Amino acid sequence: AQSVTQPDIHITVSEGASLELRCNYSYGATPYLFWYVQSPGQGLQLLLKYFSGDTLVQGIKGFEAEFKRSQSSFNLRKPSVHWSDAAEYFCAVGAGNNDMRFGAGTRLTVKP
Amino acid sequence: AAGVIQSPRHLIKEKRETATLKCYPIPRHDTVYWYQQGPGQDPQFLISFYEKMQSDKGSIPDRFSAQQFSDYHSELNMSSLELGDSALYFCASSKAGGGRNTIYFGEGSWLTVV
Repeated sequence: AQSVTQPDIHITVSEGASLELRCNYSYGATPYLFWYVQSPGQGLQLLLKYFSGDTLVQGIKGFEAEFKRSQSSFNLRKPSVHWSDAAEYFCAVGAGNNDMRFGAGTRLTVKP
Repeated sequence: AAGVIQSPRHLIKEKRETATLKCYPIPRHDTVYWYQQGPGQDPQFLISFYEKMQSDKGSIPDRFSAQQFSDYHSELNMSSLELGDSALYFCASSKAGGGRNTIYFGEGSWLTVV
């Protein structure tokens, strides 16, 4: 079965600084990968996804992620963080049956 | 654009009571998923349906059951509620067929068991 590891439970960055959230997956076949963002008390909003093709994918809100098969990683990046980006970020990996497994999440705090 | 609709948004029940959550998928989506997210936890897959048939089962307790109806909406029924069932329950939907599909989530239904 597929699984996801997000090594960082909590990350704090200053507003305007760059951001990278790590995600490592385990899956026997080519995975499809997602990043979701969850604001407090809110649902899960899709930031971006990777199915195939170009390994650098662009998402909403200025986020991007790069799929690296050799490292089994799908790290999320943003060049300049805004205070409104403070939230919980979940990486997820999907299997062929569309069932997804989520990582434990990384909580992002943005300092003024 | 239409999204996944869940109702009720908030529900308070006592122990041993029964609760029913409803989910209305995005129009023309044929697959529905249920996830449970405990406080400070990541979402855990419970169960999914494709074309009204159960397609996959995760860590759903035997006290829970779900079904998908002819109009593709789904209901999650939870009986003999326990305090530990207090969580945010997400429904998600996708359109199957032709490869991989993006799953879209609803806002969630907050269940509090007291």
